[in-house]
Amino acid sequence: GENVEQHPSTLSVQEGDSAVIKCTYSDSASNYFPWYKQELGKGPQLIIDIRSNVGEKKDQRIAVTLNKTAKHFSLHITETQPEDSAVYFCAASIGGTYKYIFGTGTRLKVLA
Amino acid sequence: GAGVSQTPSNKVTEKGKYVELRCDPISGHTALYWYRQSLGQGPEFLIYFQGTGAADDSGLPNDRFFAVRPEGSVSTLKIQRTERGDSAVYLCASSLSSTYDEQFFGPGTRLTVL
Repeated sequence: GENVEQHPSTLSVQEGDSAVIKCTYSDSASNYFPWYKQELGKGPQLIIDIRSNVGEKKDQRIAVTLNKTAKHFSLHITETQPEDSAVYFCAASIGGTYKYIFGTGTRLKVLA
Repeated sequence: GAGVSQTPSNKVTEKGKYVELRCDPISGHTALYWYRQSLGQGPEFLIYFQGTGAADDSGLPNDRFFAVRPEGSVSTLKIQRTERGDSAVYLCASSLSSTYDEQFFGPGTRLTVL
């Protein structure tokens, strides 16, 4: 069945450094890839997304890249700040649908 | 404006009991989703409503789980004969319509089955 793998499971960086989280997906029909940030006790919040017709998207300090051939997509956070500390989830749509398969999450710690 | 709200925030029950979890979506959102999130895992799709009807319930694990959305707004997830393995955070999300619309998540209900 469809699967999304996410690495690393935990990531610690110094404040100001960059953080990169990588995901791979199995469903070649997936065409929408959102990234969510989840803080303790809260629901996931969309931070950026990308559709399969583009290879890169940037929003201030956050960027996402997509390699459809390799079925890889990555989240890049530059100039990290302590408030970036949270669990980040990647997801891939199943085909062209609303149904998402989520990765297992990356716990990011930004050390001041 | 108000986001997705879920009640209760925490629910502790005993094995075999019946529970109801409520979701109040963002006003005007026609699409509503339920997910289950186990510890250390990403959310797992359970069911999707478009309006009042369950358009896709393929993620419900078994027939002890059922959800309704009678008036196309508030939804209730119902779990019969709860088992310890049902313990998880149950998340609700809503979106303006469906495909490609951002899904806004609620804070979740943490269900603990003793």
